[in-house]
Amino acid sequence: GQQVMQIPQYQHVQEGEDFTTYCNSSTTLSNIQWYKQRPGGHPVFLIQLVKSGEVKKQKRLTFQFGEAKKNSSLHITATQTTDVGTYFCAGRSTRRGSARQLTFGSGTQLTVLP
Amino acid sequence: DAGVIQSPRHEVTEMGQEVTLRCKPISGHDYLFWYRQTMMRGLELLIYFNNNVPIDDSGMPEDRFSAKMPNASFSTLKIQPSEPRDSAVYFCASSPRRTESSYNEQFFGPGTRLTVL
Repeated sequence: GQQVMQIPQYQHVQEGEDFTTYCNSSTTLSNIQWYKQRPGGHPVFLIQLVKSGEVKKQKRLTFQFGEAKKNSSLHITATQTTDVGTYFCAGRSTRRGSARQLTFGSGTQLTVLP
Repeated sequence: DAGVIQSPRHEVTEMGQEVTLRCKPISGHDYLFWYRQTMMRGLELLIYFNNNVPIDDSGMPEDRFSAKMPNASFSTLKIQPSEPRDSAVYFCASSPRRTESSYNEQFFGPGTRLTVL
């Protein structure tokens, strides 16, 4: 079945440093979504990427979708303590009948040291 | 909108007992998902429904788990009998019908933290 791998598993950064998490799928994706889960909270949708090579920005967050639609990345510039949490990518398969299923990556837990 | 509502928020039970988790999706959403989250296995999809009909339950770990959606505003996930390895946070999420302006994102509830002793 489809697998979505995410690295690194943990990342500690000093406030103000940049942060990147990478996501790789074993199969081609129709689209990919990113979620953030604060400690003790629930996943919250951040963004969806659909097109090959797509890049989207949300303030200090930059999301990329690979040309082959099998990988993605999230980059945070100048991290702040409010960025603390676990970032998940979630891929949607191109397989028929799986239009609504998301396969979540293992997540990257970000700690920002003040 | 109150968002996805789950109850109870915390459940502590003893091995062998029946556990029922409840979920109320966002009104108007056609899709409902049940996930389990653990440190070891991450976020796993257990089952999802479309218009109250189970579509894919391949993620349900074993026969001890069952899920129902009797109407558009209510779903349950039942574990009978429960075992310590079922201890996890169980999330319910809902998603709207696909539209041109929709990202088809999933809206998660706050989760139920289940501890089986």
